[in-house]
Formats: sequence, structure tokens, C-alpha cells
Amino acid sequence: ETGVTQSPTHLIKTRGQQVTLRCSSQSGHNTVSWYQQALGQGPQFIFQYYREEENGRGNFPPRFSGLQFPNYSSELNVNALELDDSALYLCASSANQGRSYNEQFFGPGTRLTVL
Amino acid sequence: DQQVKQNSPSLSVQEGRISILNCDYTNSMFDYFLWYKKYPAEGPTFLISISSIKDKNEDGRFTVFLNKSAKHLSLHIVPSQPGDSAVYFCAASGDSNYQLIWGAGTKLIIKP
Repeated sequence: ETGVTQSPTHLIKTRGQQVTLRCSSQSGHNTVSWYQQALGQGPQFIFQYYREEENGRGNFPPRFSGLQFPNYSSELNVNALELDDSALYLCASSANQGRSYNEQFFGPGTRLTVL
Repeated sequence: DQQVKQNSPSLSVQEGRISILNCDYTNSMFDYFLWYKKYPAEGPTFLISISSIKDKNEDGRFTVFLNKSAKHLSLHIVPSQPGDSAVYFCAASGDSNYQLIWGAGTKLIIKP
């Protein structure tokens, strides 16, 4: 059974650029959640996708957008990058739609640095 | 406004002793609480959870206690082992039931 994978591992961008982060969910999981973890803080919920539809969103601006594909893998897109977008971006997959108390299995994250 | 707070950024405990990690929350609508452990360069991994209808849940060396009146929960690890050295996050299920609200984490260091 393959776990949650994320790519790339690290990424450096400049202000104003756009970035796409990718996540492959664990086999059998149909729900993917994305989190932003700034240095010294806990993860903050960005949004969740269930069966290719956005299923909930945290307090993030519209320049944060996502996609989920038929194989349940997912992308996080961030437009017009700002310095404060520098963070670890975590993807988590789960087997149950939207029920956060179902175990979420996390990938290792993508470290994004915006210069 | 932080709804889930872990006020101790770090904790150092002797191997074999008890580790107690604390977490406070402000939202009385939270109905489920989870603890995750995170090693460097890895994603968080689920450790143990507790429903708001219970006041204790035990799984091997790990026990979580919930005090709803005080809006406080704690994770006890007995006995502490070197492999327990990690960052521990407390998280709570939000009103909408599809997002987790996380604390800032506590770095646990187990001394040999």
C-alpha cells in the first residue's frame, strides 16, 4: 500500500510568480485536504476535496485554488505569490468524506520559499 | 484568535518517566480531539483521539484526558522512550466537521 506522496520536496519562487504543488493520496482514499504550516505554528486548513469537488475551505484568499483528479490525486495552485506564502504545505488523505475525526494520513510536505 | 493553544513550546523528560503534554481550547463546539506526532522531514502521524463524550482514552503507553469544564486536554506518555522525541500537535474538529484546528505544537525531548 503506497502512502501519501507530495512533489516537489522543496521549491523556491519569487514574489508574483505562480506555483503548483502535487499530492498523490493513499490507495483507497477519496478525500484530500491541504494545510499550510508556517514556521513555529501548527498546520492551517486551506481546503478539502472530495470526489473532485471542493468540500470546504479555510480562511485563505481565492489566489489559493485546487483540483482533484479522477484518481483522487490533487493539486494546490497559488497565484501572485507573496513573501508570507513561504511555508510547509501539507497534503492529507482520508477515506471518509469530510469527517475530520477520521484519521488523516499526511504526506511529508512541500517546503515553499518565496523570495 | 487561537482556538487551540499549546502553551509549552518544548518539554524535556527523562527516559522512563512520564511525559505530560497540555492543550487548551476555547470553542465549546469542538466535539473531537486528536493528537498527532511529527518527526523532522515527515508529515504528522495520528497518535490518539478522544470524543467529547468521554474523559479518557488509552492506547498502550498513550492516554489522553479531556476536561470539558476547563476546556483542557492532556496527553500522557508512560514510560517515555527516546523514540518519543518529536513535535506533538493537538487538533480539534471544527463546527463544520471537515477541518482540523491545530495548536502550535510542543517539542518533546526524551533524555537518556
